[in-house]
Amino acid sequence: KNQVEQSPQSLIILEGKNCTLQCNYTVSPFSNLRWYKQDTGRGPVSLTIMTFSENTKSNGRYTATLDADTKQSSLHITASQLSDSASYICVVTYSGTYKYIFGTGTRLKVLA
Amino acid sequence: DTAVSQTPKYLVTQMGNDKSIKCEQNLGHDTMYWYKQDSKKFLKIMFSYNNKELIINETVPNRFSPKSPDKAHLNLHINSLELGDSAVYFCASSQRTSVTGELFFGEGSRLTVL
Repeated sequence: KNQVEQSPQSLIILEGKNCTLQCNYTVSPFSNLRWYKQDTGRGPVSLTIMTFSENTKSNGRYTATLDADTKQSSLHITASQLSDSASYICVVTYSGTYKYIFGTGTRLKVLA
Repeated sequence: DTAVSQTPKYLVTQMGNDKSIKCEQNLGHDTMYWYKQDSKKFLKIMFSYNNKELIINETVPNRFSPKSPDKAHLNLHINSLELGDSAVYFCASSQRTSVTGELFFGEGSRLTVL
């Protein structure tokens, strides 16, 4: 069964600290993997996209990695800010289609 | 200059009523979606239309009926509302011919059934 699983389910960190969120998937064939950020009461917004050949991609303080062999991705947040408090959702796309498989999300809370 | 806009943002209604949620996108995309987000924040696909044609219809009760008058609009009508229909409904769009196929989401419509 094609699935996307994320860990941890929730995370609380202090402002200024770093954290890493994990995404494991079994989707095959794989096209790409996106990380979305969803603020409370808002729709998800794309942070970064990883294709099969990419290992690392940065977007400001967010750095995503992809290991296509082990089917794992991570999202590293550096020097966290209060505004990073949100749900982070990993979404994997089937190759050749536009079917999206959503992860269960990680809820991050950054405390002052 | 909202890319994907949904109305209403909040909807409170009684069980058994019929309600509609509207969605419009101005991105020129050819594919639109309805997702349901439950209390555990999991996003689940309900329907997808490509150029006004239904392409994804997950196991959704037939009380839910999507309508796409043109490729920029996708509405969702729900008959005989039940308590379990309470959720946040998100509209999204994408361009199927795009290499990346990014999904653009609306702000959500929170439906509460009493």
